[in-house]
Amino acid sequence: GENVEQHPSTLSVQEGDSAVIKCTYSDSASNYFPWYKQELGKGPQLIIDIRSNVGEKKDQRIAVTLNKTAKHFSLHITETQPEDSAVYFCAARGANTGNQFYFGTGTSLTVIP
Amino acid sequence: KAGVTQTPRYLIKTRGQQVTLSCSPISGHRSVSWYQQTPGQGLQFLFEYFSETQRNKGNFPGRFSGRQFSNSRSEMNVSTLELGDSALYLCASSWQGAGTDTQYFGPGTRLTVL
Repeated sequence: GENVEQHPSTLSVQEGDSAVIKCTYSDSASNYFPWYKQELGKGPQLIIDIRSNVGEKKDQRIAVTLNKTAKHFSLHITETQPEDSAVYFCAARGANTGNQFYFGTGTSLTVIP
Repeated sequence: KAGVTQTPRYLIKTRGQQVTLSCSPISGHRSVSWYQQTPGQGLQFLFEYFSETQRNKGNFPGRFSGRQFSNSRSEMNVSTLELGDSALYLCASSWQGAGTDTQYFGPGTRLTVL
């Protein structure tokens, strides 16, 4: 089945700096890649997603890039703020595995004021 | 529109007991998926229900089961609880199904097995 790896596991940045989180996937047929933000005591919240027919997508300070050839996708957060501190998960929807979602192991982002 | 709701939010059980968790999807969503989240294993897919039928299943033992009702609400049951079942159980709903649309998560049920 699909295997999603996520790096780094922890990330600390100064407020105002950029943060980048990277994920790789193994199933070349995967076609949908969402990113979730999970705050303490809450469920994951969708923040941005990208489909395999698009290379990049941006929503204000958040952007996601997809490289299908290399099978990796990345989350970019610019002008980070303390409220961006949370755990971020990437996911891939496998096309050859019953269309279930596979998640990365998460990145704990801390934005230092 | 109300989000995904899960009840109860917290549960404490002892080994050998069974437990039932409930999930109400976003209005109009017909698919409900369940995930187990633990610090060591991350988010792992349990199963997906669509129109009252289990459409997909992850790699969990038969002690984990679920069902979906005609109003799309879903329940999952864990029988003969083990210490390792302690986790956050999340459900996610989507309109047409996990294969075709975005999933929205509930706040989760925190299960502690003593």
